[in-house]
Order: sequence, then structure tokens, then C-alpha cells
Amino acid sequence: AQSVTQLDSHVSVSEGTPVLLRCNYSSSYSPSLFWYVQHPNKGLQLLLKYTSAATLVKGINGFEAEFKKSETSFHLTKPSAHMSDAAEYFCVVSDWNTDKLIFGTGTRLQVFP
Amino acid sequence: SAVISQKPSRDICQRGTSLTIQCQVDSQVTMMFWYRQQPGQSLTLIATANQGSEATYESGFVIDKFPISRPNLTFSTLTVSNMSPEDSSIYLCSVEVGGGGFYGYTFGSGTRLTVV
Repeated sequence: AQSVTQLDSHVSVSEGTPVLLRCNYSSSYSPSLFWYVQHPNKGLQLLLKYTSAATLVKGINGFEAEFKKSETSFHLTKPSAHMSDAAEYFCVVSDWNTDKLIFGTGTRLQVFP
Repeated sequence: SAVISQKPSRDICQRGTSLTIQCQVDSQVTMMFWYRQQPGQSLTLIATANQGSEATYESGFVIDKFPISRPNLTFSTLTVSNMSPEDSSIYLCSVEVGGGGFYGYTFGSGTRLTVV
């Protein structure tokens, strides 16, 4: 069965410093992986996705993630945090057989001035 | 990508009553997904709804509690029946979009349900 594990439930950074949100996956096949962001009282927005093309995926708002098969990881990074980045981030894997999405438990990012 | 209009955006309901949530998509889609997000939790898939067939429910969810309709390729409803305070959650619908191997999932803005 496929799954994702988000290693940190909360991450706090100062504005202007790098962001790292960690995600490990488990899959018997080459997975499709996503990062979604959920701002308070708003819907889910797709940040980026990996679908077996380039291992370094660039998304919106300066975010990017690198697929590392040897480490079964798909960590989300951003060079410089902005106050507007404060939100809940979900790492998600798509079940190759059913197209169902399997969500990680989420990481709450706080950005301090 | 598809745009989903979900309503109501929020509601406060009495226990024992039912609430129907609607999702309208601006394009035809094969599958629609319904999720629940309990307070402070991640998203859990309730069921997958294909047009013209019965919805497929995940473990822990049953049709009597969460009946789903899918009358056409652009619309679906989820009903939360005989509600209790434990049903207080955000409910979201989602569709798979894209083609040619380049795809993703779009979500509705969610329905925040509070049962009192």
C-alpha cells in the first residue's frame, strides 16, 4: 500500500530564511506525488506535482521539491520564506491503481517577522 | 484546469438533521471524490463517485450515513445524515483534471459543518 509520512507537524521560520518541509513516501511503484497548501479558511491549492518526469519540480510561489528515489523522499523547499507562506502543507501520493489521493498528516508552517 | 463551485460554504445544524452539500464543476469529469477533514486533521477520503454507478465508499464510511448522488458528469451531492457533533468537519469535493499524462486534482473550497 502507498503512504506518505510528513516528518514535522509544525515548522517555524523567520521571514527571509529558507523553508524545508519533509515528506517520505512508501510505494511499490513509481509514485505520483503532490504538495498542496491550505491557507486558513480557504480551500486546497496545488503547489506542485511529480509524475516521473524531472526529479526537481518547480511549483508556484517559489516552492520546489526534489524526488529522491534512493531516500524515498519528496521534501518541499523555498529559499526565502514570506509571511504569506504561513499555512498548512500536505504531502500527497496518488494510488497508481485507483487514482485515489492519500494525504499526509500535514505540516503547519509559521513565519515570524 | 477545472473550477469547482461548492456550497454551502458553512452551516450550523441541529443534531439528528441532514445536510446536503453540492459540487458543480465547470467541465465534464469522470470521477468525483468526497473528503472529510476533521478539526486539526488531514483529509480522509469518504467515497468516489462515478456518473451512472453507485459510489464506492472507503472503510469506515457507509451509504446510509453519507449518501451520494452523481446525476451527470458535472454535478454531485453528498448528504450527511442523522448528524451528531462528531460529524463536525470540513467536507470537500475534488476532481481529477488534465489529460495527456499531465494531471492533477482540483478541490472545492469546502463546506465547514458544525453540528450542535
